[in-house]
Amino acid sequence: QLQLQESGPGLVRPSETLSLTCTVSGGPIADSSYFWGWIRQSPGKGLEWIGSIYYSGSTHYNLSLKSRVTISVDTSSNLFSLKLTSVTAADTAVYFCARHYFRDGYYFDIWGQGTLVTVSS
Amino acid sequence: SYDLTQPLSVSVALGQTARITCGGPDIGTRNVHWYQQKPGQAPLLVFYRDSNRPSGIPERFSGSNTGNTATLTISRAQAGDEADYYCQIWDRDSSTALFGGGTKLTVL
Repeated sequence: QLQLQESGPGLVRPSETLSLTCTVSGGPIADSSYFWGWIRQSPGKGLEWIGSIYYSGSTHYNLSLKSRVTISVDTSSNLFSLKLTSVTAADTAVYFCARHYFRDGYYFDIWGQGTLVTVSS
Repeated sequence: SYDLTQPLSVSVALGQTARITCGGPDIGTRNVHWYQQKPGQAPLLVFYRDSNRPSGIPERFSGSNTGNTATLTISRAQAGDEADYYCQIWDRDSSTALFGGGTKLTVL
């Protein structure tokens, strides 16, 4: 059973960089059918896709966040990571990682439980 | 940019049929996916590519997509179906995943 688990600091200061890791267990991240994505949800709000990465390193990003986002992958450790720079209070959210099926549909079929990141001094 | 429009809330009587819509220009030409999210939980894929149900999702959940509206239908609604529901597409023009604003389903 494939599982995803987010990890990282729960508190980040304004203007600093948010860094999260998603560890994939129960299956290889190097699977040709999938990208691996990050989605966030601000308190009381809807879902916002941040970006997705293929095991080769190819990426797609939300254009509204692209200038501040970097997603990377480490196939040897079976994990992928998110960096979001210059954070503000508006970046306070629950951050989810998810497997992103990338053939004939492009949907998120398995999700991590999510991790709350608060931006505050 | 392409926008997905969902009603903020839908109410349904216990045992009746709930229909949650997702609107967008010519959305019928796109693959639409649906997620259920209960409080404090991660979203759960309940329908994909308009009319496909993942294993473990009850047959009471069905989907359709035509014209400018995609619809998630929940038959014989149960108290456990109360949740937020989100539609999602992949916009090929911008290579972007887009979510609708979400619909809160209340079972009365």
